[in-house]
Amino acid sequence: SAVISQKPSRDICQRGTSLTIQCQVDSQVTMMFWYRQQPGQSLTLIATANQGSEATYESGFVIDKFPISRPNLTFSTLTVSNMSPEDSSIYLCSVGGLLTDTQYFGPGTRLTVL
Amino acid sequence: DAKTTQPNSMESNEEEPVHLPCNHSTISGTDYIHWYRQLPSQGPEYVIHGLTSNVNNRMASLAIAEDRKSSTLILHRATLRDAAVYYCILKRLGGSEKLVFGKGTKLTVNP
Repeated sequence: SAVISQKPSRDICQRGTSLTIQCQVDSQVTMMFWYRQQPGQSLTLIATANQGSEATYESGFVIDKFPISRPNLTFSTLTVSNMSPEDSSIYLCSVGGLLTDTQYFGPGTRLTVL
Repeated sequence: DAKTTQPNSMESNEEEPVHLPCNHSTISGTDYIHWYRQLPSQGPEYVIHGLTSNVNNRMASLAIAEDRKSSTLILHRATLRDAAVYYCILKRLGGSEKLVFGKGTKLTVNP
C-alpha cells in the first residue's frame, strides 16, 4: 500500500487568489492523479501527472487554471489559480499501486473560496 | 469507458448482511470490476475487484453474474463504520490507470 499526505488539509481563500496543494507519497510511483469533488458530488479527474513530462488534463480542465508540477517520483503539486467560489471543492490526489491494480487516495484538501 | 449504474442509496441494520448491486451491461471482456468506498470526510479506499470469478477478501465479497453484466458487493455483517458511498468502477486491463467515478451508492447503517 501507499501512504499519501496532502497539505493543507483545508483552507479558506479569497476570490482571485491562488492556492497550491501539495501531495506527498511514501514510495516512488510513476503516475499521480488529481481529482476534484464538488460539494455533494462524486470525484472528477482533473489530470494525470507523470514525472518528467507535462501533465495530461481531462476535458474541461486546463493547465492555466490548474497547473501541476511533478518534480520527482514521490511529490506533486496542484495549483488552483484565480479562484472563484465555484472552485470550492475537495481536491484529492491518488497514486496507482506498485504491485496491485488499485489506487490509493490522499485525505483531500477542502477548499472554500469566498 | 463502459458505464455502471448503482442505486443512489441503500439502508441496512448493523450486523446484518448488505448486498450492493451494480449494473454494467456494456462491460467488455477485459474490463475488471472494481469497488471503492468513501467514508465521510475521507478519500476513497479500495475494497475489492474481480474479473469473472467471485472474490473474497477481509473487507467484502464480490459476486459477479455469469454474463458479467452485473455484480454485487457483499458486506457480510455491516457495522456503523461501513456507512459510506460505495463506487462500482470498470477498469480495462492494459488501459489507462485512471478511475472514472459514477455517483455511487450511499449506504446508511442503522444501529
